[in-house]
Amino acid sequence: GQQVMQIPQYQHVQEGEDFTTYCNSSTTLSNIQWYKQRPGGHPVFLIQLVKSGEVKKQKRLTFQFGEAKKNSSLHITATQTTDVGTYFCARRANSKLTFGKGITLSVRP
Amino acid sequence: SQTIHQWPATLVQPVGSPLSLECTVEGTSNPNLYWYRQAAGRGLQLLFYSVGIGQISSEVPQNLSASRPQDRQFILSSKKLLLSDSGFYLCAWSVQQSNSPLHFGNGTRLTVT
Repeated sequence: GQQVMQIPQYQHVQEGEDFTTYCNSSTTLSNIQWYKQRPGGHPVFLIQLVKSGEVKKQKRLTFQFGEAKKNSSLHITATQTTDVGTYFCARRANSKLTFGKGITLSVRP
Repeated sequence: SQTIHQWPATLVQPVGSPLSLECTVEGTSNPNLYWYRQAAGRGLQLLFYSVGIGQISSEVPQNLSASRPQDRQFILSSKKLLLSDSGFYLCAWSVQQSNSPLHFGNGTRLTVT
């Protein structure tokens, strides 16, 4: 009930292709956060979504919160090798932050 | 600006030995503090979190314990390590505001042999 699901766990794309991944919950989310972890590194906060249908952009990355606040998406336009890493979504409930299992993106140059 | 320090970066310990990992935060007061474990480069499992000195919430019963002796210090301990304790341990902090993001330390890669 408190989990967020990310499927698949791995995705491989050719450099220049677009990439989209989803984060799903069976219950309504008050907010969703996205993090990126580079290989060998620690997770770094990217964005937070709070409002139904909210869309936020960071350069080539577009984040969206579903209208029902039960899912979120991350879209990367024209992937680059610098986009490699694991992308996690996470839900914040009071003081706890629960992460999805993440999706590891690899980009073929 | 706020910074988080976590040490050591890597650690190799024999089975049955004790463990103490320390994390300190600078530049903020009364933060929420967290310990996560990441096994085999995958998901982040919340182990403990603390909203104040001496206040520890345990998420997963296991061979570990946590303490917060000072406002900006969070310690992860074990009396006797198991092989299954190997993993990447991450400390993180956030402000008390409910929707605030987490800021992670660089992590400790623990190998139990």
